[in-house]
Amino acid sequence: GAVVSQHPSRVICKSGTSVKIECRSLDFQATTMFWYRQFPKKSLMLMATSNEGSKATYEQGVEKDKFLINHASLTLSTLTVTSAHPEDSSFYICSARDPTSGRANTQYFGPGTRLTVL
Amino acid sequence: GQNIDQPTEMTATEGAIVQINCTYQTSGFNGLFWYQQHAGEAPTFLSYNVLDGLEEKGRFSSFLSRSKGYSYLLLKELQMKDSASYLCAVTNQAGTALIFGKGTTLSVSS
Repeated sequence: GAVVSQHPSRVICKSGTSVKIECRSLDFQATTMFWYRQFPKKSLMLMATSNEGSKATYEQGVEKDKFLINHASLTLSTLTVTSAHPEDSSFYICSARDPTSGRANTQYFGPGTRLTVL
Repeated sequence: GQNIDQPTEMTATEGAIVQINCTYQTSGFNGLFWYQQHAGEAPTFLSYNVLDGLEEKGRFSSFLSRSKGYSYLLLKELQMKDSASYLCAVTNQAGTALIFGKGTTLSVSS
């Protein structure tokens, strides 16, 4: 199946700093990538849809100025958590859709990034 | 909007069969997905149903009834490694992203 990587896998930062998370599709080109966050023992919550070459579409309640998304190429999307605070501590997961897949809506997930803000 | 309902927890023993149900209400339907997620890891794709009926893939099968807004994931010959969270998901109204249910935590004991 399609492979999606995510970097870093874990990051610890001080309150007020910014953190960038990268999501890459390794063996396919993804015009659309998705960013989710997951709190402990909770389900995944869609934050935004990242479109290559255009602005991301944010879900209701997600601050676009706080969670900056850039999708500069067909294989890379980045999520930057700006001025991070402890409540931003979470598991952030990206996914990508492989348009060549027979199941066009199937999403393949990266391994996730555990963010801890002190 | 979308609403997805599945049991919070289930338990079973090795070698048994377990069925995890999922009911959904959605304003537009483009298929239903099942994902498996082990603690601290990202979800992995299990199955996709867009037409009514049963899709079988090894020990796992998934069923869909669009008229009833209902799906189930059937796991046969359970193994300890099947202990995980199982997530039911449907596409959002735009037909692009996935909306996940809260997940069912399955515990398999020996």
